Amino acid sequence: EDKVVQSPLSLVVHEGDTVTLNCSYEVTNFRSLLWYKQEKKAPTFLFMLTSSGIEKKSGRLSSILDKKELFSILNITATQTGDSAVYLCVPGSNYKLTFGKGTLLTVNP
Amino acid sequence: GAGVSQSPRYKVAKRGQDVALRCDPISGHVSLFWYQQALGQGPEFLTYFQNEAQLDKSGLPSDRFFAERPEGSVSTLKIQRTQQEDSAVYLCASSRVRTARYYEQYFGPGTRLTVT
Repeated sequence: EDKVVQSPLSLVVHEGDTVTLNCSYEVTNFRSLLWYKQEKKAPTFLFMLTSSGIEKKSGRLSSILDKKELFSILNITATQTGDSAVYLCVPGSNYKLTFGKGTLLTVNP
Repeated sequence: GAGVSQSPRYKVAKRGQDVALRCDPISGHVSLFWYQQALGQGPEFLTYFQNEAQLDKSGLPSDRFFAERPEGSVSTLKIQRTQQEDSAVYLCASSRVRTARYYEQYFGPGTRLTVT
């Protein structure tokens, strides 16, 4: 059975802190690893990683994938209150995405 | 351009009623997906269409759930004889096929179904 484990399940930080969100996965026919951000609405796409070791960056967010260890991390530097959301790690096999429960990040002013 | 839209945004149904949830994908997106998201959980896959063909319905929880996409665009998820355990947010997503961003799915706002 496909499995995604994210840690921590929740995290509270202050503005300006740096956070690291972890994701381990086991899926059949793995193709890519996606990260989504979900506020009180639909998930919005952040990153897609298909190769190990290549760090993807978008502003203050960055992510890296380790296909050997079946692991990914999402880093957020200089956090802002607008970063408060659930971050979902999503391994994809062919068309099917397997969502974890997510990490609930709360950034306090 | 317009994103994925879903209607209604909220639906309250009495146990035993039938409901129909609508999804309008992004124009030109060939693939369409339905997910069910229970409170505090990540979305769970229900079914997948490529154009009008339903290629995978393995996630539908029971034969009370039925999805269609007759013209390869708008899709409807129908739930017959609703039960309380059907209460959840139903998310629709669409994506292009055969591009570098094949697995990038764009989600609609969801329909929150409450069965009383």
